[in-house]
Amino acid sequence: LAKTTQPISMDSYEGQEVNITCSHNNIATNDYITWYQQFPSQGPRFIIQGYKTKVTNEVASLFIPADRKSSTLSLPRVSLSDTAVYYCLVGDSTGGGNKLTFGTGTQLKVEL
Amino acid sequence: NAGVTQTPKFRVLKTGQSMTLLCAQDMNHEYMYWYRQDPGMGLRLIHYSVGEGTTAKGEVPDGYNVSRLKKQNFLLGLESAAPSQTSVYFCASSYGPGVNYEQYFGPGTRLTVT
Repeated sequence: LAKTTQPISMDSYEGQEVNITCSHNNIATNDYITWYQQFPSQGPRFIIQGYKTKVTNEVASLFIPADRKSSTLSLPRVSLSDTAVYYCLVGDSTGGGNKLTFGTGTQLKVEL
Repeated sequence: NAGVTQTPKFRVLKTGQSMTLLCAQDMNHEYMYWYRQDPGMGLRLIHYSVGEGTTAKGEVPDGYNVSRLKKQNFLLGLESAAPSQTSVYFCASSYGPGVNYEQYFGPGTRLTVT
């Protein structure tokens, strides 16, 4: 099963922009790329979703290159409350079927 | 509107015991999922359902069974629990296929098998 890989952890300070990249070499042709946020002892929560180029909502931006083999979640001006684990989710075309594959997660720590 | 709820929140089992985890959603979603989350492993799909009366295997289905007798409920069963099944279990639901539609997650069930 192909892996969806992310950096294990990142540190930042309040007010900075944070970019988290996910590598997904075997993404299925028609599948979207979705990012989730998870706080301790809670289920993941949807942040943003995209298919190609750039998507922006009130909390984040998502950048997807033309080959769609990676994606970058951008969090502008982070605060302490953005400390969480961030997961990317893609379909996986390995073996001919589509499977939900979450990345391994990136622990973001934001400090003052 | 409760969203996705899971019962129970915590459970301790002895090896060989059985139990059923209940997931309920009130959003009229067709798709439902069971994941397990282990430290450093992210979320892995156990089983999923694309509608009432249907089930399908995910990435790690061995040792688990599921049923979707009603659209709003998705049950995960462990027939003979093993220590390797110690994990946090999350249920989720979505309007359409999970890779293209937002999934709504429950609060999780923490299961320990001794």
